[in-house]
Amino acid sequence: DIQMTQSPSSVSASVGDRVTITCRASQDISTWLAWYQQKPGKAPNLLIYAASRLQSGVPSRFSGSGSGTDFTLTISGLQPEDFATYYCQQANSFPRTFGQGTKVQIK
Amino acid sequence: EVQVLESGGGLVQPGGSLRLSCAASGFTFSSYPMNWVRQAPGKGLEWVSAISGSGSDTFYTDSVKGRFTISRDNSKSTLYLQMNSLRADDTAVFYCAKNRVDSSGYSFRAFDIWGQGTMVTVSS
Repeated sequence: DIQMTQSPSSVSASVGDRVTITCRASQDISTWLAWYQQKPGKAPNLLIYAASRLQSGVPSRFSGSGSGTDFTLTISGLQPEDFATYYCQQANSFPRTFGQGTKVQIK
Repeated sequence: EVQVLESGGGLVQPGGSLRLSCAASGFTFSSYPMNWVRQAPGKGLEWVSAISGSGSDTFYTDSVKGRFTISRDNSKSTLYLQMNSLRADDTAVFYCAKNRVDSSGYSFRAFDIWGQGTMVTVSS
């Protein structure tokens, strides 16, 4: 199975900050990577697919990059509604696997 | 509106069975691979199972192989998860999730539509 490792596990930031979350795959997954946002008690919401493609309706302050084993989610100009937990997910092979999550908290 | 709605969760004793359903609407159900993803209380997301649009191909995470069965009825636009031999560590919110497929039919294998989830509690 492909292991997905996110860092950091949590980050404290202020409104307006730039936040970067990294995700590393245990083997090459090309660009088969997605990012999700989840708020407490809610279902996850797709932000980025194919490593860098912005899902329709998602604000442009969210961006994704990377290929192979190393990927990044960047939030440029953190907004109050962005405080949530973020997960990466590999879609290269079965079983699909998620990272452990990164909680973005208010500083 | 494109949406999926899960049902069938509840409290079940260890060793028991439960069948989850996911009713889809607003899209051509048979054209989309579907998935089940679960989340144990206070934990992260875990992919459980997937099924192709036709239903001919199914996939499972190792911990549920032989115990869970994914299926679909395209005439009813409904996805199912039959869960047998349930264990305490199966306790979780179970989400139904649709694959993102573009207009040319290419699946990006990301999950663009999720239900609200249904809670499964395995306890005596």
